[in-house]
Amino acid sequence: EVQLVESGGGSVQPGGSLRLSCAASGFTFSNYWMHWVRQAPGKGLVWVSRISSDRKTISYADSVKGRFTISRDNAKNTLYLQMDNLRAEDTAVYYCARGTSTWWFDYWGQGTLLTVSS
Amino acid sequence: DIQLTQSPSSVSASVGDRVTIACRASHHINIWLAWYQQKPGKAPKVLIYDASNLRSGVPSRFSGSGSGTVFTLTISSLQPEDFGTYYCQQANSFPLTFGGGTKVEIK
Repeated sequence: EVQLVESGGGSVQPGGSLRLSCAASGFTFSNYWMHWVRQAPGKGLVWVSRISSDRKTISYADSVKGRFTISRDNAKNTLYLQMDNLRAEDTAVYYCARGTSTWWFDYWGQGTLLTVSS
Repeated sequence: DIQLTQSPSSVSASVGDRVTIACRASHHINIWLAWYQQKPGKAPKVLIYDASNLRSGVPSRFSGSGSGTVFTLTISSLQPEDFGTYYCQQANSFPLTFGGGTKVEIK
């Protein structure tokens, strides 16, 4: 059974940093692109970042470029999102999601909540 | 960026009703569109991918159609468990984008 389990969310002050993790199991993690998608409270879904299976291709939404860093450890079956210089508008539930060959998401984690507030 | 506009933003329908949700893209996206269902407090779940392909395990009352810039998700006979918010997502180009969502309520 495919499982994605996010962790690392919490409350942080503006300008602070946090690292999210997504532990994957039930599939060959190193074969798949992985993504982060976020959802602000009461709002819609927003794609944040992607990383290729071999870590060679990475891209970000403009809203987080230069502040967030996606990475992965295929030996540990874990996806990461390092978030720096956090802003109030980064407050959201962050989901990791497995990508498919035609860029839709077939499995999602349960999400982890980040709150940025003073 | 490709913008997706969903309509209606909400719909209230009775069990057994046919429900149709539209998604319009700001640019041509061929068939590269997916539909998701999200229930409160839960992660989204894919229903349809590549515009019209039903995800394995999803009930056949869900169907998708369209290509280019206009797409629809149809629930042929609404069931009580179909409440939630439905999102379209374009898979044509990055950044990937989602529609604003359609909230489906059961009367």
